[in-house]
Amino acid sequence: NFILTQPHSVSESPGKTVTISCTGSSGSIANNYVHWYQQRPGRAPIIVIYENNERPSGVPDRFSGSIDSSSNSASLTISGLKTEDEADYYCQSYDSSMFWVFGGGTKLTVL
Amino acid sequence: QVTLRESGPALVKPTQTLTLTCTFSGFSLSSSGMSVSWVRQPPGKALEWLALIDWTDDKFYSTSLKTRLTISKDTSENHVVLTLTNLEPADTATYFCARVWGVSGLGSFDYWGQGTRVSVSS
Repeated sequence: NFILTQPHSVSESPGKTVTISCTGSSGSIANNYVHWYQQRPGRAPIIVIYENNERPSGVPDRFSGSIDSSSNSASLTISGLKTEDEADYYCQSYDSSMFWVFGGGTKLTVL
Repeated sequence: QVTLRESGPALVKPTQTLTLTCTFSGFSLSSSGMSVSWVRQPPGKALEWLALIDWTDDKFYSTSLKTRLTISKDTSENHVVLTLTNLEPADTATYFCARVWGVSGLGSFDYWGQGTRVSVSS
């Protein structure tokens, strides 16, 4: 089974930079796009990064994404942290046998 | 403007069948590359992908739930329906529908409904 593993939680201070990782269990994470979603409590997810490193319109350029083939992982980086960035973040990709797969989510605390 | 809205019962009993409807606007499920998917989230837990139907009427299901899931579309009415049979308390979750645009699994879930809460309890 293809699994995307994320840290359960991360925390950082306002104004700082945080990186959330997403590691694929098998194959090459670079074979398919990785997308990232932000979910605030009680709300639906919204997309913040698509196709590894593309930002939808309206998403601040403080959000960026990358792929590291050597570690089979993707990363979401948020710079200049704001309290409004506090949320759960999910990575998502595609696998030919499991189809659409979400990571377990990372709770970002900005304190 | 793309919108999606989920509807269905808030409470169902174990062993019953759940039927959820996703009503959407602002795009056509007949357009090349367009799909609608269902995702659920148990309370306090992660997102779980359930099913997807694309513009060619191809259907894809979660391997762990495929024997219990059916997805269908009514293109003329802009509806996508998901049924989940033989419900159990572990199916208690918020169910979201989302638009997926892109071919061969490349697309992202770019628009989401607000979700509908379903509790399974006797």
